Amino acid sequence: AQKVTQAQTEISVVEKEDVTLDCVYETRDTTYYLFWYKQPPSGELVFLIRRNSFDEQNEISGRYSWNFQKSTSSFNFTITASQVVDSAVYFCALIVASSGSARQLTFGSGTQLTVLP
Amino acid sequence: DVKVTQSSRYLVKRTGEKVFLECVQDMDHENMFWYRQDPGLGLRLIYFSYDVKMKEKGDIPEGYSVSREKKERFSLILESASTNQTSMYLCASSLPQRNTIYFGEGSWLTVV
Repeated sequence: AQKVTQAQTEISVVEKEDVTLDCVYETRDTTYYLFWYKQPPSGELVFLIRRNSFDEQNEISGRYSWNFQKSTSSFNFTITASQVVDSAVYFCALIVASSGSARQLTFGSGTQLTVLP
Repeated sequence: DVKVTQSSRYLVKRTGEKVFLECVQDMDHENMFWYRQDPGLGLRLIYFSYDVKMKEKGDIPEGYSVSREKKERFSLILESASTNQTSMYLCASSLPQRNTIYFGEGSWLTVV
């Protein structure tokens, strides 16, 4: 069985601070995909990034960056120079290749990020 | 852009009522999913469908059924709504060969 753990339930920072959201996953599959989603107060889950298990290259997209380390089973997400609009719940999630054609996400419990002005 | 549309954002229903939550996607995705989201419990999969008229139970199917008569539409049915089904329901879709799942805006259901 798969598991995704987001140990930080809530984080509060002041605007322009950097913040890192932690994600630790468990799976016995060698082929899997990791995701981050953002859920603003409106409710929609917005896809941010997908990373497959064979690609440990870190990725940067604007103020967002992701650090994938298989050795520690972690896929952490950093927001640089945070803004009030970054306030949302962030979910880390996992799909394993062995789960068949209708691959399902296993979600972490989410981290509520609040960015104060 | 992928568009997953949930017909009702906010519903209030009475205990025992039959409730339909509708979801439509416009990207010809084979896979569609229904999740519910509750505080402290995260997102849990109720049902999913990998083709028209095909469905499989997720982690918490009790009290729910689904219908997929057309590829673009996936309905979640509460045969007899109960207060413990008060929740936020999220529909999603994906292509089998792609590993990204796209979500709708969510439907907030209150059962009184």
